[in-house]
Parts: sequence; structure tokens; C-alpha cells
Amino acid sequence: GENVEQHPSTLSVQEGDSAVIKCTYSDSASNYFPWYKQELGKRPQLIIDIRSNVGEKKDQRIAVTLNKTAKHFSLHITETQPEDSAVYFCAASRTGANNLFFGTGTRLTVIP
Amino acid sequence: GAVVSQHPSRVICKSGTSVKIECRSLDFQATTMFWYRQFPKQSLMLMATSNEGSKATYEQGVEKDKFLINHASLTLSTLTVTSAHPEDSSFYICSAYSSGANVLTFGAGSRLTVL
Repeated sequence: GENVEQHPSTLSVQEGDSAVIKCTYSDSASNYFPWYKQELGKRPQLIIDIRSNVGEKKDQRIAVTLNKTAKHFSLHITETQPEDSAVYFCAASRTGANNLFFGTGTRLTVIP
Repeated sequence: GAVVSQHPSRVICKSGTSVKIECRSLDFQATTMFWYRQFPKQSLMLMATSNEGSKATYEQGVEKDKFLINHASLTLSTLTVTSAHPEDSSFYICSAYSSGANVLTFGAGSRLTVL
């Protein structure tokens, strides 16, 4: 099966700086890569996803890049704000959102 | 958008009792629902995959007789923690898959405390 590794496990940045979270996956057939944000005590919510037919996708301050050759994908958050503080999970799947393999999460803290 | 409702949000019970948690997809039909357990500051641990009308598929190490899952309709899955013990105290989260949108939506979670 798929194995998704996520780094770092914790990340602290100053407000306004950028944050980057990286994930690697093992199944070369994986073609769907979503990112979820979980604020303290709340449900994980999909913030962005990318499919293997594109290398990068951007949505305002959030972007995801995918390197299929190296089997890794990254989440980039620019101009971080305190409300970006949360746990972020990456995931990968070869069939779509019905069969996701999650990374172990990254706790991002944005320091005001 | 896809909305998933999970109840109760918090439950406290005595050791030895059973607790049922419901997960409902409110505006879509979910052929597949998932149940996770999450410890403080830790990752989502998939417990089981629940398919409507069939038996749930449990992950290795998860006791199916301990964590009973029923997916009786396309909008409802339930997790029953039987004979709960303090070590079962945790945050349980469900998610539901919408095939139409190919999106996985999470419930708000249920915090179980077993005294």
C-alpha cells in the first residue's frame, strides 16, 4: 500500500514569513494529493488539492507543488498569519478521495 | 458543499458502558465513510472503512468487537464503543466520501471520556 511521510512535525514561523511543509509518497500510481487543515479541536478541512496532471496549483496565499519523478509534494503558505496556526495533513491516493493515505501531520505555529 | 454532521461532540461515560457516535452526510449520499481516532497532538489513525450495506473493513490492530460500525444507509454510519474503558478515551472523527465531487469531508469529531 501507499506510505506517506510528512516533515516537519512541528514548524514555527514569524508572522509574514513563508511556511513550507513537505510530503513524500511511495506509490508511483498515486495521482491525487489533498491537503487538510485542522484547527485546534475542529474538523480537518480540505484547503487545496492537486492531481498528477499538473505540477503546481495556487489559491491566494496557498500553493501546492508536485514532483512526480521524485514522488514528493509540498504545501507553501506565504505571508503567514496567526490564523494559519493549525495542524496540516497531506494525503495521497491512486483512486481519489475515497482511499486516502494520510501523512502524520505538521503543527504550524505562526508567531505574531 | 458537502456537509458531515457528527454527534455527540462530547460524551462522558462510566467504564463498562457502551457509547454510540453518529456520522451523517447531510446533503449528499456517502457510499463510504471512514472512522478515525486521534490522540492529542497526534495524527489521524484510520480505524475502519464503512461501506453502506456491507461489513466494515477494520485496520490492523483495531478490535471489531470493541468498535462496532454500522453503515445502514447512504447518509448514516455509527460507531459504537462497547464496554468502554479509560484507555478508549480519545477524539473520534468520521469522514464521508462524496463520489460526485470526489471529496472527503470530515465530521467535527466526538471527544469521548471514559471515567
